[in-house]
Amino acid sequence: SQTIHQWPATLVQPVGSPLSLECTVEGTSNPNLYWYRQAAGRGLQLLFYSIGIDQISSEVPQNLSASRPQDRQFILSSKKLLLSDSGFYLCAWSVPAGAHFFGPGTRLTVL
Amino acid sequence: KNQVEQSPQSLIILEGKNCTLQCNYTVSPFSNLRWYKQDTGRGPVSLTIMTFSENTKSNGRYTATLDADTKQSSLHITASQLSDSASYICVVSAGYGGATNKLIFGTGTLLAVQP
Repeated sequence: SQTIHQWPATLVQPVGSPLSLECTVEGTSNPNLYWYRQAAGRGLQLLFYSIGIDQISSEVPQNLSASRPQDRQFILSSKKLLLSDSGFYLCAWSVPAGAHFFGPGTRLTVL
Repeated sequence: KNQVEQSPQSLIILEGKNCTLQCNYTVSPFSNLRWYKQDTGRGPVSLTIMTFSENTKSNGRYTATLDADTKQSSLHITASQLSDSASYICVVSAGYGGATNKLIFGTGTLLAVQP
C-alpha cells in the first residue's frame, strides 16, 4: 500500500530564516507530487506540482521553491521566511487525474 | 473564473442526526468532483469521487450526489457520529484528464457533532 510522509509535523521559525520541508512517498512509482498551503479559514492553495524528477511547476509567485531530487521525494524550501509564509503545508501525491492522497501536514509558524 | 462554493460554512448537529452539505461550482471543463474529510491538524482524506455521468456515490454513511446540469453536489451524512466532526471539502477537477488537470478547492464546511 502507498504511504506519504511529511516532516517535521510542526515548526516555529524566525523571520528571515531558511526553510526545508520534506515529503516522501512509498509504494508507488512516478507519482504526481504536490505542495499545498492552507491558511487559517482559507481553502487549500496549490503552490507547486511535479510530474517527474526535476520537473516542477509553480502555481503562484512567492517566496518559496520546490525540488524533486528523487522520484518519490519532494522538498519545499525558502531562503528567507516571511511572516506571511505561516500556514499549514500539505504534500500530496496522485496518479494522473486521480484522487489526491495527502500527507499529515506541517504546521509552520513564522515569528 | 473557476470557483467552488460550499455551504454552510459551519454546522453543529447532535449525534445520531443526519445532515447535508452543499457544493456549487462553476468549473469548465468539468472532469470530476470529490469530497474530502479533513480532521483538525491532519491532511484531507478522500471520501468520494464522481465523474460527469455519475449521480450518486456512497461510502458507508456518506452519500454524495452530483447534478451536472445545475452544477451542484451534496454530501449527506447519515446517523452522525462524534468522529464525523471535521472539515468537509468539495474539490472539482477542471480539464480533460492527465497531469494538466487543475483542482479547484472549496473552503470547506466545518461540521461539529455534539453528544
